[in-house]
Formats: sequence, structure tokens, C-alpha cells
Amino acid sequence: ETGVTQTPRHLVMGMTNKKSLKCEQHLGHNAMYWYKQSAKKPLELMFVYSLEERVENNSVPSRFSPECPNSSHLFLHLHTLQPEDSALYLCASSQDWGTGELFFGEGSRLTVL
Amino acid sequence: GIQVEQSPPDLILQEGANSTLRCNFSDSVNNLQWFHQNPWGQLINLFYIPSGTKQNGRLSATTVATERYSLLYISSSQTTDSGVYFCAVVGGQNFVFGPGTRLSVLP
Repeated sequence: ETGVTQTPRHLVMGMTNKKSLKCEQHLGHNAMYWYKQSAKKPLELMFVYSLEERVENNSVPSRFSPECPNSSHLFLHLHTLQPEDSALYLCASSQDWGTGELFFGEGSRLTVL
Repeated sequence: GIQVEQSPPDLILQEGANSTLRCNFSDSVNNLQWFHQNPWGQLINLFYIPSGTKQNGRLSATTVATERYSLLYISSSQTTDSGVYFCAVVGGQNFVFGPGTRLSVLP
């Protein structure tokens, strides 16, 4: 496999559920990112991990919990979400934080009922 | 922080037409990329172009870093070119995205 892969591609969950989004990069990059894209809105940076350490948390509610167990994997744990959290969640990676070319996964489209 | 603007916000073309998309940024940058977001939401890398000119098939891009803008040229547009085009620069240490240009190519 090459590039950045995300699973699942689609997720429907109730407000009381707990689910996780997974991202894996096969590029040997040191930085990984979570972005949120709501309908007809710009991309919003949520979290940045550099060398497995969280370096940016862009005022994201605690119902979103990131985890980076190693430099190739990034998770976004979701619990007690709200309908307004329905969006496209995009994972990306770059060689280092803020340097090099940014590569995105296919995205996980989340619907909260 | 750095501001990124894109124009036009929306563009409708007939298949075969040419177009120019513009990205303006408020501060000097050493990292600029163009992306195409397809109808399924995936962001596809088009160009990594902090300065100079690059071409890839029907697409080309030019960045004039000293004047703080970049241009994306699409020639002989096809319906598969439809989608949203984003430019992104690095401000501080984070990638900052413009609001995008939504392109619709009609058959």
C-alpha cells in the first residue's frame, strides 16, 4: 500500500456511541494531522502530531480524542458526538511539521444521528 | 496569522475551455501547494510549488513568491476537472488553506 489510508470511509453513529477513525501513512513521514471539513466550509485543522507527540490542539472539544501510537498510525476517538459534528474528517501527513508536501487520505464521512 | 484568498469562488466552464485560478497570501511563504478535491471528498495533490513554474499535462502552475500569489492554469478543461481547488501555504508551522474555487465543467 502507498500513501495515506483512512478507515472507515463512511460512518453513521448515534450521539451515545463510541467509535474511532483510523489513519495509516506509508510515506515515512514524521507529522500527521486531523482536519475537519463541514459542508461548504474551509478545512479546519484539529490536531497535529509530530514524532508521535501532540503539538497542536486547535480548540477541539474533548469529545474528540486523538491518539498517535507510532509515527505511522493516527486515530481519532469519538464519543457523545453532536449532530453538528457530522462532517468529512481528513487525515494527512508531511515529512515534518509544516515542511514538505502534505498528503491526504481519502477521508472518513461521519454522520451523527 | 497568514491569510489566504482564492479567486474566483465559483467558476462554470464549457468543456474544452481554459481557466486561471488565483491564490493570494498575506505573508512570505516557502511552501505552497495546489490540491483538487474530487466529488468524493479526496484531496489530490496537483503541485508543490513554493516558487517558479511547473507543468503536468493540461495543468500548470506559477508562484511569484515576491508578489505573494500563485496561479493555476487549466487548459482544455474536461468534466473530470470539476470539483474544488484549494491552495495551501505554511504559516508559522501549520498548513493554512484558502477557501477554495469551485469549478464546474459542463459537457
